[in-house]
Parts: sequence; C-alpha cells; structure tokens
Amino acid sequence: GAGVSQSPSNKVTEKGKDVELRCDPISGHTALYWYRQSLGQGLEFLIYFQGNSAPDKSGLPSDRFSAERTGGSVSTLTIQRTQQEDSAVYLCASSLGAGYWDIQYFGAGTRLSVL
Amino acid sequence: ILNVEQSPQSLHVQEGDSTNFTCSFPSSNFYALHWYRWETAKSPEALFVMTLNGDEKKKGRISATLNTKEGYSYLYIKGSQPEDSATYLCAFIGNYGQNFVFGPGTRLSVLP
Repeated sequence: GAGVSQSPSNKVTEKGKDVELRCDPISGHTALYWYRQSLGQGLEFLIYFQGNSAPDKSGLPSDRFSAERTGGSVSTLTIQRTQQEDSAVYLCASSLGAGYWDIQYFGAGTRLSVL
Repeated sequence: ILNVEQSPQSLHVQEGDSTNFTCSFPSSNFYALHWYRWETAKSPEALFVMTLNGDEKKKGRISATLNTKEGYSYLYIKGSQPEDSATYLCAFIGNYGQNFVFGPGTRLSVLP
C-alpha cells in the first residue's frame, strides 16, 4: 500500500474486554512505532520495533499492553482487560531505516473507546 | 522526568502573517528533534528531523532552526495560509534511549 494502514479506525469496547489493534507499515520500512494520544494529552510513545532486534517496550503503560510484529511487517497492539483510561487514539508509524533520524510516516489511527 | 515544552499553546493569526513558535527540550544528551504537523482528522505529517546544533531546515514557507546548547528549536511559517491551521508538535530523542518525548503542541489557527 501507499501508506501506513491501521485497523479498525474506530473501536468501542466494554471495560474488561481484550482488544487488538492492527498496523500495516509501508512496505520495506524496517522501523515501526506505536503511540497513543489520550483526551487532552500529548502524544505518548508506547513501543518501537526495529528489524529483528528486541523491541523497545519502555513506553508501555502496564503489563496489560503488549505488541508483536510478525515477519518484520504487520504489527498488532493488544490491550487486555481494557480500562476506561485506555480510551485514546492509537497511532502507528513506520520509517525506512534504523535509528531516530528517519522521517516517520503515520497511519490514521484507531480511536478506542472503553465504556 | 524529561520535559519537552512548546509555546505558545495556541495561536491565532491572520492570513498572510508570519509566525513562529518554540520547542524547548533538555540541552544535555540531545540526539535528534522531530517536528510534525497534525491537522484535524488527519495523520501527523513529519516536517523536519533536526540533528546538529545550528541546523536550519526549510520546506516551502516553513523553516526550523535548532540550538542544542540552549535546548530550543524554532518553527517559522512565512505568509501563513488557512491550510497551515494545525497542531505543530516537536519530539525530542535523547542519547540514552528516551524515545520520542513529545511536546504538548502549538495549535495554530490561520484566519482568512
């Protein structure tokens, strides 16, 4: 595809349920990032994948959050036992190369609402 | 706790005005600074990646400067247009794995 694709675009779930958010990065991009923006807050880094290296999970807010990236391409962010404070827009971005000097391309985001 | 600040929080200008805003970040352990534009209902769009003290980058009517010694970056917009209306975000990356610490953004509204 031409850009970073995220699905679903909107997700409404009940408190306590698990959710999976998907990100398809730009083909050939080796780095993939997840961020979230809660209402009234700035963008918050969650996790970073770079090639086959172990991901940087330092931004994950709790052990209910996990992410994987299969085959160096598609990534899934899983939130278990969702809480109302998990409601946010979850953004995925990818970049061509390693490191932090590369331009990131963002998807349109998944808006998660936990009732 | 690493703090990245942006000012002003919001800004209203008339079409044709030039404007600028500031991103402040820790002056130690600097690695890179990113600027993004985020229009409502769209994805954030990367504007610049700044890496060296004294860097100046330009993209059309938008330019940015970087001072890593004093810990700030300026973003300038010359001759603002209504389509420039967006939130402008900076993100700091530090030498010791501080991944993409975003500022709160400056919300720019350009009135026709």
